[in-house]
Amino acid sequence: DTGVSQDPRHKITKRGQNVTFRCDPISEHNRLYWYRQTLGQGPEFLTYFQNEAQLEKSRLLSDRFSAERPKGSFSTLEIQRTEQGDSAMYLCASSSPGQRNEQFFGPGTRLTVL
Amino acid sequence: AQSVTQLGSHVSVSEGALVLLRCNYSSSVPPYLFWYVQYPNQGLQLLLKYTSAATLVKGINGFEAEFKKSETSFHLTKPSAHMSDAAEYFCAVSDLRGAQKLVFGQGTRLTINP
Repeated sequence: DTGVSQDPRHKITKRGQNVTFRCDPISEHNRLYWYRQTLGQGPEFLTYFQNEAQLEKSRLLSDRFSAERPKGSFSTLEIQRTEQGDSAMYLCASSSPGQRNEQFFGPGTRLTVL
Repeated sequence: AQSVTQLGSHVSVSEGALVLLRCNYSSSVPPYLFWYVQYPNQGLQLLLKYTSAATLVKGINGFEAEFKKSETSFHLTKPSAHMSDAAEYFCAVSDLRGAQKLVFGQGTRLTINP
């Protein structure tokens, strides 16, 4: 299966700890997105990469959040000094310019901050 | 700014009955429109998309949606519900240019009664 993969699937951490999530997009996709989904809500956009360049960030992405895509392939999302409000599902999606923005989603990483 | 409103956070139908999930959007320019389905603890799977071609769009699993510009609507239908259709459904809109990030509605939980 060559879909979008995310690791880990679940993460439980204590408040104040740092966490890092990884996303591996579909190999030929140069666009990569991160979204956050809280319980009972639709996903909300966090940030967007085209190749290795981070071209857009939501105001939801506070200073404690940082994302990278160093070689234009996989991406990481780091949250520093986690807070209970960071508990959510973090979804990664990728797409190709020729697919009219059909974004393919990974299974998500569910973060629980205690 | 773009937005999506899904009317009804919870819809319940009998097996074999018509499924109708409502979505209205707000966009200053003709957008791309999408319906995604999410099963518990999973990522999102694309059901269908409207990308300025035919206004009646057919998707997977027997679903279809009609783009009505005058009503700014993109309602999702299925003639006969199946138990396996029980899931969360999200309508989303994106721009044709730039990041083309998805803006999602709040979601509609579909329950199928035997």
